Amino acid sequence: AQTVTQSQPEMSVQEAETVTLSCTYDTSESDYYLFWYKQPPSRQMILVIRQEAYKQQNATENRFSVNFQKAAKSFSLKISDSQLGDAAMYFCAYMWGGTSYGKLTFGQGTILTVHP
Amino acid sequence: DGGITQSPKYLFRKEGQNVTLSCEQNLNHDAMYWYRQDPGQGLRLIYYSQIVNDFQKGDIAEGYSVSREKKESFPLTVTSAQKNPTAFYLCASSTGSHEQFFGPGTRLTVL
Repeated sequence: AQTVTQSQPEMSVQEAETVTLSCTYDTSESDYYLFWYKQPPSRQMILVIRQEAYKQQNATENRFSVNFQKAAKSFSLKISDSQLGDAAMYFCAYMWGGTSYGKLTFGQGTILTVHP
Repeated sequence: DGGITQSPKYLFRKEGQNVTLSCEQNLNHDAMYWYRQDPGQGLRLIYYSQIVNDFQKGDIAEGYSVSREKKESFPLTVTSAQKNPTAFYLCASSTGSHEQFFGPGTRLTVL
C-alpha cells in the first residue's frame, strides 16, 4: 500500500522569507501523481501544485515550487516570499496514475505559521 | 456558479442515531469521494463512486454507507455502527483528470 509521510508537524517562517515543507512517499508504481494541498482555517482544501511522476521538470506555480526526487521518493514544497495568507495546514498527497479516477492518499499535514 | 456544496456545515448526533451528510456538485464530474479528517491527521478515504449506481469502499468504510442515484449527488450516512464518528467530513469530485475538487466540509459531533 502507498504511504505518504510528512515529518514536520509544524513549521514557521518570517514574512517575505522562504520555507520548505518535506514529504516522502512509498510506492512500487511508476505512474503516479503528487499534490500539495493547502487547508486554511476555513478548512477548505485548495490545490496548490501537482507533479506528474513521468515529468522530470519540477512543477512551479508562482511563489510555490516543488523539488521532486523520484529515486529518493521525496516531494518537498518551497514557498518563496512568504505571505501572511500562506498560513495554513499543508498536505502532501499521492494518487496512482493507472486510472483516471484515482484515490488520494494523504500525509499527516504540516501546520505553517507565518510571522509578520 | 459551479462548485461542490455540502450540508449542513455543522451536525450534531446523539449516540445510536444515523445521520446523513449531503454532497452535491454541478460541475458535471463523473467521480465523487468522501474523506474523513481527524485532528492531527490527514484525510482518509471512506467511499468513492466513479459512475451512477456504483461505488466502492475506501480505507475506512466500516460504519458508513453511501448511494449514488444521481450524478450530482453522493450522500453519506453515518450509522450507529460507526463507533467514533466525531470528525470533519469532506466531499470531493473529479473529472477524471487526476485532480480532485473539494467541498467546504461538514463538522459532525456526537453528543
